[in-house]
Amino acid sequence: AQTVTQSQPEMSVQEAETVTLSCTYDTSENNYYLFWYKQPPSRQMILVIRQEAYKQQNATENRFSVNFQKAAKSFSLKISDSQLGDTAMYFCAFMKKGGSEKLVFGKGTKLTVNP
Amino acid sequence: NAGVTQTPKFQVLKTGQSMTLQCAQDMNHNSMYWYRQDPGMGLRLIYYSASEGTTDKGEVPNGYNVSRLNKREFSLRLESAAPSQTSVYFCASSSGRTPPGEQFFGPGTRLTVL
Repeated sequence: AQTVTQSQPEMSVQEAETVTLSCTYDTSENNYYLFWYKQPPSRQMILVIRQEAYKQQNATENRFSVNFQKAAKSFSLKISDSQLGDTAMYFCAFMKKGGSEKLVFGKGTKLTVNP
Repeated sequence: NAGVTQTPKFQVLKTGQSMTLQCAQDMNHNSMYWYRQDPGMGLRLIYYSASEGTTDKGEVPNGYNVSRLNKREFSLRLESAAPSQTSVYFCASSSGRTPPGEQFFGPGTRLTVL
């Protein structure tokens, strides 16, 4: 069974600064996907970024980028130029490739961006 | 498009009562999911349906049943509610197409069992 661990329950950052959220996972699978989802106070879950395990290049989406270390089973999210709207819970998630698209989530990191 | 809709948004039950949470999606997605979210626990999969007519257990299925009524609708039923089922419930759907993994979530149902 896969597990996803987010070791930082809460973090804060000043507006315009950079913050990194950590995620580690445990799996015996070789082909899989990793995701970061954002849940703002509205509770709506939104996909932030996706990484395919067989791709060595780290995924980027505008101000969001990941540092994917497959051997270390680490998948951190970097948010650059933090904005007040980035205040949210962030969940790291794992999905095995093939079959049903079940996601295994970490417990989340609550990020607060301060003005 | 409304995306994924859930009803009701809030519900209070007494222990032992039953209820059904409704979920519908208008994106023609094959797969649908039910999660529960508890403080400090993240989202945990209750049941999922990879396609119309099929359902499978997730991580925490005890005390729940599901029905994939058609391609659009996936309901979650609590037969005899317990206080441990107090939670926020999310329905989600995904297309199953490449690239995989993006699930679209509903707004959630906050359920309290007294």
